[in-house]
Amino acid sequence: KQEVTQIPAALSVPEGENLVLNCSFTDSAIYNLQWFRQDPGKGLTSLLLIQSSQREQTSGRLNASLDKSSGRSTLYIAASQPGDSATYLCAVRPTWGDYKLSFGAGTTVTVRA
Amino acid sequence: DTAVSQTPKYLVTQMGNDKSIKCEQNLGHDTMYWYKQDSKKFLKIMFSYNNKELIINETVPNRFSPKSPDKAHLNLHINSLELGDSAVYFCASSQFRTGEGEQYFGPGTRLTVT
Repeated sequence: KQEVTQIPAALSVPEGENLVLNCSFTDSAIYNLQWFRQDPGKGLTSLLLIQSSQREQTSGRLNASLDKSSGRSTLYIAASQPGDSATYLCAVRPTWGDYKLSFGAGTTVTVRA
Repeated sequence: DTAVSQTPKYLVTQMGNDKSIKCEQNLGHDTMYWYKQDSKKFLKIMFSYNNKELIINETVPNRFSPKSPDKAHLNLHINSLELGDSAVYFCASSQFRTGEGEQYFGPGTRLTVT
């Protein structure tokens, strides 16, 4: 059974600092990994999707890396802003044709102005 | 333009009642999902439909019954509500049946059973 862990559970940084969010998974045989952002009382917004054959994906200030063999993904957010305050979730899809995403519990980020 | 929408956003009801949550997506996706997020913030899949056909049915009480009138809609009906059903329920959709595409989530429905 795939288990996804996100550490730390919460993170507080001053504005302008780079953010590093970690996601680890127990079964390295994944099909893809997706990073989401969740704002309080809101739904999930997809940030980046990394296929198992990729090592990283970039979108603006966001960069996500994937190391399947070690069961890890890292989300980097450069030059953080107060608007980046949210909960960040990672989710893995086990195999091709398996529709189920296994989610971590998330890292709640607070960026102080 | 709202991609995945859910109604209602909040639902407060008493134990034993029956309630429904509606979901619609205007992305033209073939696959839709229902997830439950509990108080510890873990998201777990409940159901998935592809083009009106049930393809995932996780271990959920049979008091929960999904209904898909067409591929743009996936509703969730809950009978005989219990206190433990209190959670946030998210609808999602994706483009490819195999799940290759990203999943897009609705805003969630916060269900409180008293």
